[in-house]
Amino acid sequence: DAGVTQSPTHLIKTRGQQVTLRCSPKSGHDTVSWYQQALGQGPQFIFQYYEEEERQRGNFPDRFSGHQFPNYSSELNVNALLLGDSALYLCASSSPRTDAYEQYFGPGTRLTVT
Amino acid sequence: DQQVKQNSPSLSVQEGRISILNCDYTNSMFDYFLWYKKYPAEGPTFLISISSIKDKNEDGRFTVFLNKSAKHLSLHIVPSQPGDSAVYFCAARSGNTPLVFGKGTRLSVIA
Repeated sequence: DAGVTQSPTHLIKTRGQQVTLRCSPKSGHDTVSWYQQALGQGPQFIFQYYEEEERQRGNFPDRFSGHQFPNYSSELNVNALLLGDSALYLCASSSPRTDAYEQYFGPGTRLTVT
Repeated sequence: DQQVKQNSPSLSVQEGRISILNCDYTNSMFDYFLWYKKYPAEGPTFLISISSIKDKNEDGRFTVFLNKSAKHLSLHIVPSQPGDSAVYFCAARSGNTPLVFGKGTRLSVIA
């Protein structure tokens, strides 16, 4: 049973560029949440997708957008990259029917903006 | 304004002794609390949780205590093992709101 997978593992981008990160949820999960973890900080909630719609959003600018596909996988897009966007981006999956409170995290994508 | 605070960035404990990790919160609406463990190059892994209607939850070597009046929870690991060395995150939520994480405490268990 595969857990949460994310790609790519590492990514280096230049300021102003755009990036797309991908996530496949744990088998049986239909809800995907994205978090940003800056160095020395805890994960910060970006947004959550359920039934292909953004259900909740944290305090992040519109440069951060996402998408969920019919197979429940998800993408995080960041436009006009800033140096401050350098962080570990974590995807977490859950299901309100089984793991209502627990979220299962992927290994993350390390994004470096130069 | 941090709603979940882990004031100790790091903690060192001898193998076999008790590890106590602390977490304070400010939002009285939080009703569910979780601890996650994170190894380098891996995502956080769920460890143990507690509902606000309880004051203690135990799972093997791990026990979480909740003191609602003090808005404080702690994670006890007994006995501590070298494999427990990791960063531990405290997280909280209110109803169906997103998880709010603390900054983490790095635990080092010394053999």
